[in-house]
Order: sequence, then C-alpha cells, then structure tokens
Amino acid sequence: EADIYQTPRYLVIGTGKKITLECSQTMGHDKMYWYQQDPGMELHLIHYSYGVNSTEKGDLSSESTVSRIRTEHFPLTLESARPSHTSQYLCASSEGNSDYFSQGYNTEAFFGQGTRLTVV
Amino acid sequence: SQQGEEDPQALSIQEGENATMNCSYKTSINNLQWYRQNSGRGLVHLILIRSNEREKHSGRLRVTLDTSKKSSSLLITASRAADTASYFCATDTGRRALTFGSGTRLQVQP
Repeated sequence: EADIYQTPRYLVIGTGKKITLECSQTMGHDKMYWYQQDPGMELHLIHYSYGVNSTEKGDLSSESTVSRIRTEHFPLTLESARPSHTSQYLCASSEGNSDYFSQGYNTEAFFGQGTRLTVV
Repeated sequence: SQQGEEDPQALSIQEGENATMNCSYKTSINNLQWYRQNSGRGLVHLILIRSNEREKHSGRLRVTLDTSKKSSSLLITASRAADTASYFCATDTGRRALTFGSGTRLQVQP
C-alpha cells in the first residue's frame, strides 16, 4: 500500500459550498498531482506541483485551486461547488529527485484512494 | 485528444485464460507505464517500460513496447478472478505529468 492518503473518501454537499479535499503523503515525494476521473473514464490532470510553493494548472480547465506549503500536503479547494464538479478526485505523488527524474522523466506515480464528490 | 488509447474497452474471460490489452499513443515517449484500478479506488502501478526497452516481465505480467508503431501491450497470464479491474496505460512524454488513457475494463469469470 502506498503512503498517500485522501480525505474524505466520500462527500455530498450542496451547491455553493466551499470545500477542501485533503491529500497527504509520507514518502517525501517532490511531485504531486490532482486528477479528475468520471466513472469508467480516463484521468484528467487538473493541478500539479514540483515542490513547496510550486503549483501549476493541468490540462483540464478547473475552477479549483491548490496550495503546496509543505512537501507532504497538497490540498485542493473548490470555492463554490456546482453539480458539474461531481466526480472522483485522485491525488498522486512521485519521486522528484532520482537520477531518472533529473533527466526530465516521470517515474512511477503513487495514488491515494480517491475522493468521490457529489454536489447536489 | 488522448495521448494513450486502450483497446479493447472491455474484455471478459474465464479464469485461467490469458488477457491481452493494447495501448496506442501519438507522440514520442520516455517511458510507458501500466496501472490497475479496482472499482472506486485509486490506481496501482504495475510496470514501467522505458523507450529503449522492448519487453518486460513481472510475475504473470508481460509488457511489450513497439516505438515504431507507437503501441504497447499488456498480457496477464493464467488470469484469476482477483484480476478483475480496469487497466490503464500512461505515457511519459517529458511533460508535466503522466497522461492516461481511458482504460480497459477486465472481467475474469470464476
């Protein structure tokens, strides 16, 4: 089992609420990611980070924001949830300081169990 | 457009049979990785094959990579009911993060 944790596992909230999805890893990984996945569908990268104080938007337009104040913590926040945000959110991390990575490669990613969000 | 696409989208076999799923991609890669996802859970890394490798084995898994055809295959031998899951290929193109395909849903009947 990977040492990366997401909370909550399931969340049902009303439209307009502000929510934060938590993600923590204890592996000391520099790189962290948030993916969005609808049931049975591909994963879409929404945010990523190369390390503390580094955050970037991914491929999928998202109304969420992230922060990376500590290496181990990469929370995702929705300021005002809408039904279109209903999805599964997956957090992942990977090693950023191996020799293979220093050449610009992406190594094995470790995933959390996911947060299934339903906005009603 | 997707970088990686798996084929078939769904596969149903009997226990003990082999399962083969394929992945095609569009641009040059540094490596290609296969992941497994049980229903409603996160993904688990299975195997990584680098662009200069042609075949790799791990237990009952065999992965091949053909960079000239931009394709890879994952073979699971002697499948078990516990292998029932979705399998995703992910490509590393040196960009920001891995790009995942839409997956193959494997059902192994006991």
